Amino acid sequence: EAGVAQSPRYKIIEKRQSVAFWCNPISGHATLYWYQQILGQGPKLLIQFQNNGVVDDSQLPKDRFSAERLKGVDSTLKIQPAKLEDSAVYLCASSLGYSRGDQETQYFGPGTRLLVL
Amino acid sequence: QKEVEQDPGPLSVPEGAIVSLNCTYSNSAFQYFMWYRQYSRKGPELLMYTYSSGNKEDGRFTAQVDKSSKYISLFIRDSQPSDSATYLCAMDTNTGNQFYFGTGTSLTVIP
Repeated sequence: EAGVAQSPRYKIIEKRQSVAFWCNPISGHATLYWYQQILGQGPKLLIQFQNNGVVDDSQLPKDRFSAERLKGVDSTLKIQPAKLEDSAVYLCASSLGYSRGDQETQYFGPGTRLLVL
Repeated sequence: QKEVEQDPGPLSVPEGAIVSLNCTYSNSAFQYFMWYRQYSRKGPELLMYTYSSGNKEDGRFTAQVDKSSKYISLFIRDSQPSDSATYLCAMDTNTGNQFYFGTGTSLTVIP
């Protein structure tokens, strides 16, 4: 079974530039998550999709971050404009469904390391 | 106060030792308790998942939940160098739809 794919793996940009990350979840997984993991911290959920609908985006800084999952499969996360404090690893995860038990079993991709200079 | 507290370590043990990793939490509504392992430059992978209180064993790994103390533990028996990683605890409520992760404990098992 193929895992969660993410690209790019690394990105270096200057502040105020824009950047986009791509995620392809495990085939058949309805739920997709984007997390931000700052160095030395645990992942923080940014947004959760169930198919192509948003379930939770309460911690997404909507003035600069946006995400979409148009066809209910792959997803993109965009930052515009980037700030220095956005330097982090952006992790994508997927789970089979939204029910109890499914959500607790999330499969993570390798992440995209973003450095904002 | 953070929802989930976890000692970041680092923790260094000799091969074969028993390792104890712990998290405390403040939200009594947490019902689901997970342990994830994260190797350097990789995404986290689920190790153990426990609902409510009690123990769960899987090979060399044992997860314990003490809801009365708001304290969870992960024990690793006969630790191996391949266990060297960061261990993250995560928690969720019955009705919630997001995890609360600890900061992770960095473990090194020395051959």
